[in-house]
Amino acid sequence: QKEVEQNSGPLSVPEGAIASLNCTYSDRGSQSFFWYRQYSGKSPELIMSIYSNGDKEDGRFTAQLNKASQYVSLLIRDSQPSDSATYLCAVPMDTGRRALTFGSGTRLQVQP
Amino acid sequence: ETGVTQSPTHLIKTRGQQVTLRCSSQSGHNTVSWYQQALGQGPQFIFQYYREEENGRGNFPPRFSGLQFPNYSSELNVNALELDDSALYLCASSSQLGDNEQFFGPGTRLTVL
Repeated sequence: QKEVEQNSGPLSVPEGAIASLNCTYSDRGSQSFFWYRQYSGKSPELIMSIYSNGDKEDGRFTAQLNKASQYVSLLIRDSQPSDSATYLCAVPMDTGRRALTFGSGTRLQVQP
Repeated sequence: ETGVTQSPTHLIKTRGQQVTLRCSSQSGHNTVSWYQQALGQGPQFIFQYYREEENGRGNFPPRFSGLQFPNYSSELNVNALELDDSALYLCASSSQLGDNEQFFGPGTRLTVL
């Protein structure tokens, strides 16, 4: 059973700061990793996917993957109050099936 | 907007009743996965349908069942509802076997009294 661990938070950062969200996973064989953002009462929205070691940047978001240490992180630069949400980390359950194992999420609060 | 739709938005049932939730996948997506999300938790995989066949199941009892139709839309049926079934039920669609990017619909909030 694959496991994904996240600190539940809340992580509180001031507006304009960098928010750093972390996730560890149990299966060394995991090849792809996903970050979803979920606003309160809404469904998860895919914001980043990463498949290779290193950094992947998309606008204010950067995903970082370190397979040797089995962690993946999400950095949000210039955090805005609108970034306040729960961020879910996910890995595929197994090959050949497009289902995901999710962490319980980290709640981010950006203070104006 | 992902193009994935779900109905109904909210539903209130009593313990022991049965419920059917519906999902229409994004155009071109042939795989639908259903997840249950309890308050404060991440989504938990219920099962997945690919080309009208069940393609894997999570740790949910048989009273959770599903269907996929030729147009790739899907239903989730839950029999003998229990209080713990109260949750947000999410449908996610994806385009190819092996492509793990999944796109979620808005969800159905089920309350069991």
